[in-house]
Amino acid sequence: GEDVEQSLFLSVREGDSSVINCTYTDSSSTYLYWYKQEPGAGLQLLTYIFSNMDMKQDQRLTVLLNKKDKHLSLRIADTQTGDSAIYFCADLQFSGAGSYQLTFGKGTKLSVIP
Amino acid sequence: DTAVSQTPKYLVTQMGNDKSIKCEQNLGHDTMYWYKQDSKKFLKIMFSYNNKELIINETVPNRFSPKSPDKAHLNLHINSLELGDSAVYFCASRQKMNTEAFFGQGTRLTVV
Repeated sequence: GEDVEQSLFLSVREGDSSVINCTYTDSSSTYLYWYKQEPGAGLQLLTYIFSNMDMKQDQRLTVLLNKKDKHLSLRIADTQTGDSAIYFCADLQFSGAGSYQLTFGKGTKLSVIP
Repeated sequence: DTAVSQTPKYLVTQMGNDKSIKCEQNLGHDTMYWYKQDSKKFLKIMFSYNNKELIINETVPNRFSPKSPDKAHLNLHINSLELGDSAVYFCASRQKMNTEAFFGQGTRLTVV
């Protein structure tokens, strides 16, 4: 299957911006997602971007997509301690028989230092 | 209303037992999934199920079997549990033509 890669750890100071990066290999990707997982909790969809877009902004979140380089990033402005979590990049891939599946990166653990 | 619900939330069981995890979605979605999240937090697709069509990740042991009594349910049955099966299992669903996948809260399975 196709791969999705992320760095595993990121540490930032409260109030700074966080940038979490992701690369993917599937050239036929149509949608790319960012999910957040807080400790002991399930997966929460933060935002997604369609592959014909290069930027999407939603309050403190900015997603940038460079389709040529297959690079996706999530920027969190004014990072707060409540943003501490694991962030998963995911790629929607066709899995046969009319079905699609999400392929996840390994997750980036964001630690926010007060 | 919970969109995708899994039960139980926690499951502790002995090696060799057979157990099931239930998943229900009330969104009317066509496709349901099971994902496994290991101790390193890595998420891997196990199964996708769409209109009675099952797609299996080839790395999943055949001790794992999904069972779908109807479109709103996809239960995960595990035979002869092993220590390495300890993980968090997530159920998810999405509408065929929609983009967003909704996840359950996960079931933490511990095999002792």
